[in-house]
Parts: sequence; C-alpha cells; structure tokens
Amino acid sequence: LAKTTQPISMDSYEGQEVNITCSHNNIATNDYITWYQQFPSQGPRFIIQGYKTKVTNEVASLFIPADRKSSTLSLPRVSLSDTAVYYCLVGKSNFGNEKLTFGTGTRLTIIP
Amino acid sequence: DAGVTQSPTHLIKTRGQQVTLRCSPKSGHDTVSWYQQALGQGPQFIFQYYEEEERQRGNFPDRFSGHQFPNYSSELNVNALLLGDSALYLCASSLAGQGDEQFFGPGTRLTVL
Repeated sequence: LAKTTQPISMDSYEGQEVNITCSHNNIATNDYITWYQQFPSQGPRFIIQGYKTKVTNEVASLFIPADRKSSTLSLPRVSLSDTAVYYCLVGKSNFGNEKLTFGTGTRLTIIP
Repeated sequence: DAGVTQSPTHLIKTRGQQVTLRCSPKSGHDTVSWYQQALGQGPQFIFQYYEEEERQRGNFPDRFSGHQFPNYSSELNVNALLLGDSALYLCASSLAGQGDEQFFGPGTRLTVL
C-alpha cells in the first residue's frame, strides 16, 4: 500500500480556508485517495474520496494534480467544530472489502 | 437507523487477563473490521470478518481473535493482556462488494494495568 506523508499539526483561525496537503509518491494506478476526520474519543468519519482532478461535496474539496503524487484537502471557512485529526489514506476504492491503513494524521486546531 | 455500536465504552483490566469487546454493525452491513488505536497514533487494522469468517488480518499476534455471528455482530477477544494493549478499539462496518466507505463506531477504551 502507498505510504502517505502529511503535516503533524496545523493551526488556523475561524472563518479561514484550510488546506492540508498529503504526499503519496508511490500511489498505484488503481488507488483512490480518501480523507477521514476523527474527533477525540470517536471513530474516524469519511469526508471525501477522489481519483483525479477535483472532487467537491458539502463538507470539503479534494484537489489531485495530474501526477497524483499528492493531494490537498480544502476545508472552506472553518469553525471551532472542525478541530480534529485528519487522515489521508490511499487504497482501492472498494473500501467495504479493504483494510484501511492510517498514518498519524494531521491535528488541525481552529483558533477563535 | 442506528449506526455502529460498541460495548462497553470503557474497560479496565490487569495484565494477563482476557477481554471481550462487542460490536453491532450499521443496519444492512455484513462486514465488520476491527482496529486498534494507541494514543496519538492512527488506527491500525487488526482483522476483518465476513460471512462469519476472518477474511483479512493485520500484523497482530494470535492473542487477538474474533468472531462474527449470523446477525453480523462481532466480538474481539484479547488473551493474556499486556500493558501495550491499552488503546481505543474501533469497530467499522461496511457492505461487501459495494464501494461505500466503512462506518466506524465510537470505540471501546481499554486500559490494562
């Protein structure tokens, strides 16, 4: 499975846009990129998944360049409730049958 | 529609003891995966159950075993507990053959003294 690298921590003020970048240099052709969010003492929660270019949902956007060796999770106008750990995962899209490989994630702290 | 539920919420055991953790999957899901999350780390895959059989296994010793019941609920058993087994144990459910994400429960916090 492709290894991912992301910043250990980030701080941002409320109302700003936050971009978290993940490196995955060894991503395979059939791999997808998925981001999970985890609040303290809770299980991770799926945020967004993509294969290439840009994906947007009601929560976030995911930008993937043509070489797919990195990806950026964009959270628009963050609030205090966005304080959490964000994990970037790379693997097959059929997650129902796949073991998920988590790194240490990025601890995002939103400052009032 | 209840999501993934786990019991108990917290558990304290001593070294050498055995523990059983329980998980009920989200309604309609038939696959259950277990993860161990140490403090400050990401979740690590233990194993996955489908059709009452272990289908995949991560890098965990045989002290970790599981079971899946006909109603798709699952148990995680850990024997001969070590201090290093202290962690948040997460259960995730999904529907096999579908491209949907895995849904996680709130976890069971196990403390080994």
